[in-house]
Amino acid sequence: GQQLNQSPQSMFIQEGEDVSMNCTSSSIFNTWLWYKQDPGEGPVLLIALYKAGELTSNGRLTAQFGITRKDSFLNISASIPSDVGIYFCAGYSGGYQKVTFGTGTKLQVIP
Amino acid sequence: EPEVTQTPSHQVTQMGQEVILRCVPISNHLYFYWYRQILGQKVEFLVSFYNNEISEKSEIFDDQFSVERPDGSNFTLKIRSTKLEDSAMYFCASRGVNYEQYFGPGTRLTVT
Repeated sequence: GQQLNQSPQSMFIQEGEDVSMNCTSSSIFNTWLWYKQDPGEGPVLLIALYKAGELTSNGRLTAQFGITRKDSFLNISASIPSDVGIYFCAGYSGGYQKVTFGTGTKLQVIP
Repeated sequence: EPEVTQTPSHQVTQMGQEVILRCVPISNHLYFYWYRQILGQKVEFLVSFYNNEISEKSEIFDDQFSVERPDGSNFTLKIRSTKLEDSAMYFCASRGVNYEQYFGPGTRLTVT
């Protein structure tokens, strides 16, 4: 089946630093979704991307749909303690009936 | 702001018992999904549902699983005979005409 690999798997950063994480696949995706999940809760949608090359922001978050349609990137600027959590990329391919989730990037922010 | 709700938040059941997990999707959404997440792992797709029928299902969604939209608001996942390995968080999601899926808070299923 399709796989989405995220890197890094986990990261520790100082509060105020910028963060970058990415998501790659061997398959083409039509739409990318980025989610944040706090422990014991459901994923919360952060950003949706619909076109190759698209760059979209949501506050301090910026995500890009890779030109090859096989990758996507999420940047967080000026991190704060509440950014702590697991960030998942997810994507639709084919007929938009199924979303495949990535392996997740665990972010920890040191105050 | 509209949200997806799920009940119960935690369900404990004995192996072999049937469970029904309930979801109320966002009211104007047409596409409904169930996912599961084993502790510490990624979210896995189970099934998608549109126009009162299954659109797609994964290998995990075998004959022990079924979904139903019994009325205009609820969307349920039934596991007929639970196994220990069914223990996981189960998430319902819904989407409207765009492709943004919104998730509920999940039901933690513990099979003993």
